[in-house]
Amino acid sequence: GAVVSQHPSRVICKSGTSVKIECRSLDFQATTMFWYRQFPKKSLMLMATSNEGSKATYEQGVEKDKFLINHASLTLSTLTVTSAHPEDSSFYICSARSRDGVVNEQFFGPGTRLTVL
Amino acid sequence: AQKVTQAQTEISVVEKEDVTLDCVYETRDTTYYLFWYKQPPSGELVFLIRRNSFDEQNEISGRYSWNFQKSTSSFNFTITASQVVDSAVYFCALSEASIRGGGGADGLTFGKGTHLIIQP
Repeated sequence: GAVVSQHPSRVICKSGTSVKIECRSLDFQATTMFWYRQFPKKSLMLMATSNEGSKATYEQGVEKDKFLINHASLTLSTLTVTSAHPEDSSFYICSARSRDGVVNEQFFGPGTRLTVL
Repeated sequence: AQKVTQAQTEISVVEKEDVTLDCVYETRDTTYYLFWYKQPPSGELVFLIRRNSFDEQNEISGRYSWNFQKSTSSFNFTITASQVVDSAVYFCALSEASIRGGGGADGLTFGKGTHLIIQP
């Protein structure tokens, strides 16, 4: 149990296009989902926290208009990188926190590798 | 604001040696959670342990053990009799409990990671 999926696992796009990444909790309901970004050989940085049915909370320095987050249901959150540029190339990982169960038990997705040409 | 420091950028040992990965954290909260994750080359994070701030008991799981010391704000991770399959990047992370989290905890603050290389 407690599986989180991400789609796509890998995406290559041209500069200027928008890319949507999905994060799904497959066997539990997630009231909160988190989005992280990881540059090559670097640490993971929290980008934003999304709660189902409400606006996402972005960390300082993360552009809201650039990284659109939608948490429309208890099992799905999406991250859209708008007008992507090469500097947006990164590994994006989501995690989901269960509505039930242990406080702050987070389950991570396998990540999405974005390459912007 | 919280902070996690993993001072060891890279450690290389020969198989079967014991190795300790250091983690020092900073937080103003009295309630917080500490984690260790393993990240193999595939990129997927593998959960190793979660410890809350009120539980200072050390833990052992097979070849893995963790030493949590609030007095020094450290949560170190030891691998005994290391194996080549242990080669990966290991992250220590911290999460504070906050009102913003709805009573639960916030997203994780990660250290920079320690790249562990186990040579055969």
